[in-house]
Amino acid sequence: GQQVMQIPQYQHVQEGEDFTTYCNSSTTLSNIQWYKQRPGGHPVFLIQLVKSGEVKKQKRLTFQFGEAKKNSSLHITATQTTDVGTYFCAGPHYNTNAGKSTFGDGTTLTVKP
Amino acid sequence: GAGVSQSPRYKVTKRGQDVTLRCDPISSHATLYWYQQALGQGPEFLTYFNYEAQPDKSGLPSDRFSAERPEGSISTLTIQRTEQRDSAMYRCASSLGVDRSTDTQYFGPGTRLTVL
Repeated sequence: GQQVMQIPQYQHVQEGEDFTTYCNSSTTLSNIQWYKQRPGGHPVFLIQLVKSGEVKKQKRLTFQFGEAKKNSSLHITATQTTDVGTYFCAGPHYNTNAGKSTFGDGTTLTVKP
Repeated sequence: GAGVSQSPRYKVTKRGQDVTLRCDPISSHATLYWYQQALGQGPEFLTYFNYEAQPDKSGLPSDRFSAERPEGSISTLTIQRTEQRDSAMYRCASSLGVDRSTDTQYFGPGTRLTVL
């Protein structure tokens, strides 16, 4: 079936180090969304990328959508303890119902102060 | 309301019992989604509504699962004859519904279901 994979599953960093998580889809996505879920919380929308090759920045966070719209990455520069949580990518596959997003299983980031 | 709310927040039930979970979306939102999230995994799509219409229920695991949104606002997810494998967090999300391929989804706090 149509899948979205994320790597790594876990990442432990020292505060101030950079962090990157990668998202790979088995098929072309119409768009890609990124969410952050704090421990014990619910997914909170961060950003959406729609165009092939699109890059967006939010302060220390940089999001990229691949040229083939099958992969994406989230890069955090100089991590802080407030960045702790699980980062999910999600998106509707190109040939499926636009309301049906497939989520990856997330990358859980822990930051040592 | 200010955000998406779900009730109950926790539900413990015995195998074979029926349960009904409730979602109250953001008041201006036309589209409502239900997801199942197992521990350590991402949310898995169950179904969605556009107002009261239910265009896609392909993610419902079996005919024991059903969802309703009769007046296009509050929605319920019912699981009949619960089984232990139904234990999970059930999340509801809503969005404006202008363009479902680009809408932002706002998630509720979820209902943690435990089937003994």
